[in-house]
Amino acid sequence: KAGVTQTPRYLIKTRGQQVTLSCSPISGHRSVSWYQQTPGQGLQFLFEYFSETQRNKGNFPGRFSGRQFSNSRSEMNVSTLELGDSALYLCASSLGLQGREKLFFGSGTQLSVL
Amino acid sequence: GESVGLHLPTLSVQEGDNSIINCAYSNSASDYFIWYKQESGKGPQFIIDIRSNMDKRQGQRVTVLLNKTVKHLSLQIAATQPGDSAVYFCAENPYNFNKFYFGSGTKLNVKP
Repeated sequence: KAGVTQTPRYLIKTRGQQVTLSCSPISGHRSVSWYQQTPGQGLQFLFEYFSETQRNKGNFPGRFSGRQFSNSRSEMNVSTLELGDSALYLCASSLGLQGREKLFFGSGTQLSVL
Repeated sequence: GESVGLHLPTLSVQEGDNSIINCAYSNSASDYFIWYKQESGKGPQFIIDIRSNMDKRQGQRVTVLLNKTVKHLSLQIAATQPGDSAVYFCAENPYNFNKFYFGSGTKLNVKP
């Protein structure tokens, strides 16, 4: 069974631009969560999607948004990029059958904002 | 746990020895915990989980111990191998949905 796939693997953007990251969950998984990982703050929860609806949200500004498609694939968008948005963005999928479950992570998208 | 820190402690062990990685969590309402392993350039990999109705859970070469009284979690790795070298994170969840708080991590170095 294929794991969680994130594309692209690396991205370089400049301040003020916007970016879209993609995540394909494990087949059969309906929940997709996004996390931001930085050396200073560690892993922080961004949001979770289930059945095309945002189910939960972390403490990030509105510049961070996402969506989920009917095939459970998810995208995350960051608008008006800031230098501090440079991070590894991780997507994780789970079955979505229970409130909280073990998460399976992709390898992430490394975003650098210049 | 919920209070992430800037310092990444390092644990160095000899190949074949047992390793113990500790984690202090801060939210007494947390009742579901997961240990993850993250190798360089990869995403976190699930190792083992435990719910608060248990004190101990064993997997293949790994054991997780939970002490709710002092809000402490530990991961024991038996017969540590070079392939175990990675950063290990504990994650706690006090909710009924998929929002986890991750610790700052411990780097495990296995010396051959």
